[in-house]
Amino acid sequence: GEDVEQSLFLSVREGDSSVINCTYTDSSSTYLYWYKQEPGAGLQLLTYIFSNMDMKQDQRLTVLLNKKDKHLSLRIADTQTGDSAIYFCAESLSGGYNKLIFGAGTRLAVHP
Amino acid sequence: DAEITQSPRHKITETGRQVTLACHQTWNHNNMFWYRQDLGHGLRLIHYSYGVQDTNKGEVSDGYSVSRSNTEDLPLTLESAASSQTSVYFCASSEGQGNTGELFFGEGSRLTVL
Repeated sequence: GEDVEQSLFLSVREGDSSVINCTYTDSSSTYLYWYKQEPGAGLQLLTYIFSNMDMKQDQRLTVLLNKKDKHLSLRIADTQTGDSAIYFCAESLSGGYNKLIFGAGTRLAVHP
Repeated sequence: DAEITQSPRHKITETGRQVTLACHQTWNHNNMFWYRQDLGHGLRLIHYSYGVQDTNKGEVSDGYSVSRSNTEDLPLTLESAASSQTSVYFCASSEGQGNTGELFFGEGSRLTVL
């Protein structure tokens, strides 16, 4: 069945880079996503990558996609305290447009 | 501005009661979804709809139902609430096929079943 896995917790020092990893199962996913959830709020799309791309960069964010290993990562450069949140990896299922399967979420804690 | 709103934001109910969580979006999106969020499980899909009169079961649909009588609303009903349904519920919407698939989420409804 479909499954998206990610580690549950990451702690980094302010100014360092954060790398959040994710593995997914549906090799025919069209898009893969990273969503951010701040305390008490819903999820917001942070970035996404089309499945025929290997990398996408957007300001401090870099997404790497390894289709062979079904591995997705999100790198946040110069991590700030405002980046503290839960980050969810998600894949879109083939044949079910816009139906997303989410991982359990990685809680990123940024300390001084 | 277009938005998606959920109500109530917080609700406490008793086992066996019927509960309905409302979701209303003003983007005119065809697709609407209900997820529940539990510690260690992330978001799990309950039900979803691709348009008026269309409803589909997700991975954790037992004990829940939805109806889609118009584009804007997808209410989620718990016919007989159980303690296992204590959770935070998120409604989301998206445009139809042929776009990036971005989901727009509501703020969530925290349900406690005693």
